[in-house]
Amino acid sequence: EIVLTQSPATLSLSPGERATLSCRASQSVSSYLAWYQQKPGQAPRLLIYDASNRAAGIPARFSGSGSGTDFTLTISSLEPEDVAVYYCQQRSNWLFGQGTKLEIK
Amino acid sequence: EVQVVESGGGLVQPGGSLRLSCAASGFSFSSYWMSWVRQAPGRGLEWVANIKQDGSEKYYVDSVKGRFTISRDNAKNSVFLQMNSLRAEDTAVYYCATGFWVFDPWGQGTVVTVSS
Repeated sequence: EIVLTQSPATLSLSPGERATLSCRASQSVSSYLAWYQQKPGQAPRLLIYDASNRAAGIPARFSGSGSGTDFTLTISSLEPEDVAVYYCQQRSNWLFGQGTKLEIK
Repeated sequence: EVQVVESGGGLVQPGGSLRLSCAASGFSFSSYWMSWVRQAPGRGLEWVANIKQDGSEKYYVDSVKGRFTISRDNAKNSVFLQMNSLRAEDTAVYYCATGFWVFDPWGQGTVVTVSS
């Protein structure tokens, strides 16, 4: 089965900085990769689908890139409200990565 | 407003059963796959099951095969998860979500606790 590995486990940055989150698949998933944001105490929310397409209502500071086995979620300029755990997920067996916790300094 | 709302969670003893419901509104329910995703306390997300628009295809994570059954009623814009032979490791928040593999939107979740 295809396994997704996210890195880093935790990321601590200051407001205004650029955040780069990685998701690596154990074998190619083509562009069938999605990203979700889960804020504390809330349900997950779709951010990106098909590796690079922003979901409706998602701010332009969120972008996704990659294909095959290596994917990146970039937040261009961090806002305090971006504190959350971010998960990647692939289509083949619906598995999620273990998540990256984003903290704001 | 597009939304899905779960209900039916609660405390159940090991070996017991529970039926979760999810009511959808604001979109053409019968045109979409529907899914259940769970999150154990302090853990990540785990896809559980999904069901095709007409109910003709269903898929399950290995750990629930033979114990959980997903179903839907398009006339009532609802999807269900029948959970039998529950185990402590099934304790989680269960989310209903719209879609086959891209999940959007999600409900707020319903808590299932399996404990004696």
